[in-house]
Amino acid sequence: GAGVSQSPRYKVAKRGQDVALRCDPISGHVSLFWYQQALGQGPEFLTYFQNEAQLDKSGLPSDRFFAERPEGSVSTLKIQRTQQEDSAVYLCASSLAGGGSGGELFFGEGSRLTVL
Amino acid sequence: SQQGEEDPQALSIQEGENATMNCSYKTSINNLQWYRQNSGRGLVHLILIRSNEREKHSGRLRVTLDTSKKSSSLLITASRAADTASYFCATDHGAGSYQLTFGKGTKLSVIP
Repeated sequence: GAGVSQSPRYKVAKRGQDVALRCDPISGHVSLFWYQQALGQGPEFLTYFQNEAQLDKSGLPSDRFFAERPEGSVSTLKIQRTQQEDSAVYLCASSLAGGGSGGELFFGEGSRLTVL
Repeated sequence: SQQGEEDPQALSIQEGENATMNCSYKTSINNLQWYRQNSGRGLVHLILIRSNEREKHSGRLRVTLDTSKKSSSLLITASRAADTASYFCATDHGAGSYQLTFGKGTKLSVIP
């Protein structure tokens, strides 16, 4: 596709429910990032993939958060046993270059998660 | 944690005026980028300035970088109502770090 695609755009979950958020990066982009953005704040780093390898997961807030990119393209961010503090917009971004840093990131529109 | 701090947090100007936003950061960088975010949308890359550059232009945008003060500024000249958005600086600290670190952003309102 032309840009980074995320789904669902909006998700309402009951506390304790599991959710899965999907990211379809720009074709051929090596690097993929997940960020969490709370209301009125800047994006906070969650995790980074270079192709299928998860090279940095230091930003994942707890072991309830899990991300994968098994074939080096589409990625899924899974949150188990959701809590109210997980409510946020989850942004996916990709970039052409490997190595993670140094270049422009292309962001999706985000998945807004609301946990009741 | 968020490394950059934008200033001001919010800015309201009349169409045609210039808008200046500032960003400060704490540790040395490889480069610094500015992004724009319209309400409810993703972020869009505006401009990247490397640590060995002092000033960069792109259309109505002018970015400066002062590594001795660990600060950057974004100037939007002749603002338009369509420039209304939040603006974030993002720092790349290299040294094997994979993440861009974003500030909290400046919310710009341009009044027609």
